Amino acid sequence: QQQVKQSPQSLIVQKGGISIINCAYENTAFDYFPWYQQFPGKGPALLIAIRPDVSEKKEGRFTISFNKSAKQFSLHIMDSQPGDSATYFCAASRGGYGQNFVFGPGTRLSVLP
Amino acid sequence: GAGVSQTPSNKVTEKGKYVELRCDPISGHTALYWYRQSLGQGPEFLIYFQGTGAADDSGLPNDRFFAVRPEGSVSTLKIQRTERGDSAVYLCASSAYTVQGPQYFGPGTRLLVL
Repeated sequence: QQQVKQSPQSLIVQKGGISIINCAYENTAFDYFPWYQQFPGKGPALLIAIRPDVSEKKEGRFTISFNKSAKQFSLHIMDSQPGDSATYFCAASRGGYGQNFVFGPGTRLSVLP
Repeated sequence: GAGVSQTPSNKVTEKGKYVELRCDPISGHTALYWYRQSLGQGPEFLIYFQGTGAADDSGLPNDRFFAVRPEGSVSTLKIQRTERGDSAVYLCASSAYTVQGPQYFGPGTRLLVL
């Protein structure tokens, strides 16, 4: 129940295209869902996050769509750029203070110029 | 301001040796986390500190792993009798003590046990 599933494992997109990464969870107690971006040799960096009281959140080219009934959420990267090439991790945590994150296995995104 | 820093950036040791990994969190962040990331995997939770105390150590794989945060700021992850399977990137993150908030990660320490 603590697992977060993520797909696809890898993704290749042309510059200017839309990148879509999907995640699913089982634990209905999860109520905070961040996405992290990680470049080789670096730590994960927060990209965008959502709580289940909204179905969508947009920040610049990045949008999270959240489906509470299906226990699924996805990251959409509009107008994908070569600089977006990185590994993306979805994560989830339970309510309360200072809860640790459960991470998905990651999606390696390559944006071709 | 300064982010989370971790030292050393790389550590090579021999099987059976003892290692210490250090984390300096963002100033003012009371929550501190340690994660372990194996190649091609997402970070895996190890331990969480609130202030000086370990609020949740359920992710520590066995009693060879131990972490401290004596003054509520810097934390040290200690691994005794290292094994080749301990080779991974050890990530530290910190966050402000609020109900659900972002965690800010350091660059990690890459540990290689020969």
